[in-house]
Amino acid sequence: DQQVKQNSPSLSVQEGRISILNCDYTNSMFDYFLWYKKYPAEGPTFLISISSIKDKNEDGRFTVFLNKSAKHLSLHIVPSQPGDSAVYFCAARANYGQNFVFGPGTRLSVLP
Amino acid sequence: DTGVSQDPRHKITKRGQNVTFRCDPISEHNRLYWYRQTLGQGPEFLTYFQNEAQLEKSRLLSDRFSAERPKGSFSTLEIQRTEQGDSAMYLCASSSPGTGATSYEQYFGPGTRLTVT
Repeated sequence: DQQVKQNSPSLSVQEGRISILNCDYTNSMFDYFLWYKKYPAEGPTFLISISSIKDKNEDGRFTVFLNKSAKHLSLHIVPSQPGDSAVYFCAARANYGQNFVFGPGTRLSVLP
Repeated sequence: DTGVSQDPRHKITKRGQNVTFRCDPISEHNRLYWYRQTLGQGPEFLTYFQNEAQLEKSRLLSDRFSAERPKGSFSTLEIQRTEQGDSAMYLCASSSPGTGATSYEQYFGPGTRLTVT
């Protein structure tokens, strides 16, 4: 039973446009959410995070939105660049431990 | 210290053999995690150390798996009597001490790819 879902395995976007990556979760005990980016042959790299007490966090071109009532979060990348092409993982932490749960990932391709 | 390192990067072993992987975290990080990742999936949590204490273990961690972090620095993950289903990427991550948001941000190593034939 996947507690963190990323229902789009892949996404293609034109350079300069907005990329929107979505994530849904089922566990109401999740209190912190993170996005990681992964290039081939490398480990995931932390990108941006959000606490469950907030609904938006912004860092440069990256913004994460959290809708707790819908158990949904999204990552917006504006403007998208070819170097953003990677697999993006959504991850969540339950408030009772250090067991981080990752989604299956979305492969983003930014076309020049 | 440039990041989390893992050794070896690749390991091919025959079914039934034992394997051991090493992880060196970022030096000031007291939290260390092991994950397993298979094709098309995200990392799956295996176990978590705070300093030398193993505080959490996943149900995925069968009795053939054991992890140690004897001095609160590097960690090893051993798999005994390997099975073909153990073939995966094994990732190590570390994070900084404290209770704030930055302590949740994990820094991952490049992983050890295990192939069991």
